[in-house]
Amino acid sequence: AQKITQTQPGMFVQEKEAVTLDCTYDTSDQSYGLFWYKQPSSGEMIFLIYQGSYDEQNATEGRYSLNFQKARKSANLVISASQLGDSAMYFCAMREGLGAGNMLTFGGGTRLMVKP
Amino acid sequence: EAEVAQSPRYKITEKSQAVAFWCDPISGHATLYWYRQILGQGPELLVQFQDESVVDDSQLPKDRFSAERLKGVDSTLKIQPAELGDSAMYLCASSLMGQSYEQYFGPGTRLTVT
Repeated sequence: AQKITQTQPGMFVQEKEAVTLDCTYDTSDQSYGLFWYKQPSSGEMIFLIYQGSYDEQNATEGRYSLNFQKARKSANLVISASQLGDSAMYFCAMREGLGAGNMLTFGGGTRLMVKP
Repeated sequence: EAEVAQSPRYKITEKSQAVAFWCDPISGHATLYWYRQILGQGPELLVQFQDESVVDDSQLPKDRFSAERLKGVDSTLKIQPAELGDSAMYLCASSLMGQSYEQYFGPGTRLTVT
């Protein structure tokens, strides 16, 4: 079974509007972390936001926020006020367990295209 | 700002040849990862080091791939012999120890096997 599922292969959003990128995960661990990364066409992976499984508040970083619904096992990324530079691939990832440096498992990604 | 360095950025090689990639993590990062990313997919872990020790190499095709981090700092990933299916982006990442710390990725090496 897939551990991280991103059901939207591609999405369009109008510049300055908000957009939600979906991510669902599967784990039996009580302690885990959820990450979102952005990958522009140049190829580097850029860390955006982190949510710990025990965090009660949804994480926010500037225009990025993570809509964490633990019971539904979803961790959707919300980008407010989209900009042309937000056009990229977006990956949701999970780290399971308490061990230091545990590996990340990535979803298949969503390509976001921002229209002017 | 400290960055993960990788070289080369691009590599074209013929099948059956040997190829090597180099990664220098952010100073002080004990954990180093090598990922392979096939076009259109998310990265998949190949090997994880904690200092100089391999923590996880369960997804590394050991008949042709090898990785080392001899002094616990920089690392080399080798493929010998390369196959057409090895064409991909090879990403190196590093992190501090601890579950909540994010992984910082290098720019990657794009490998094309002809």
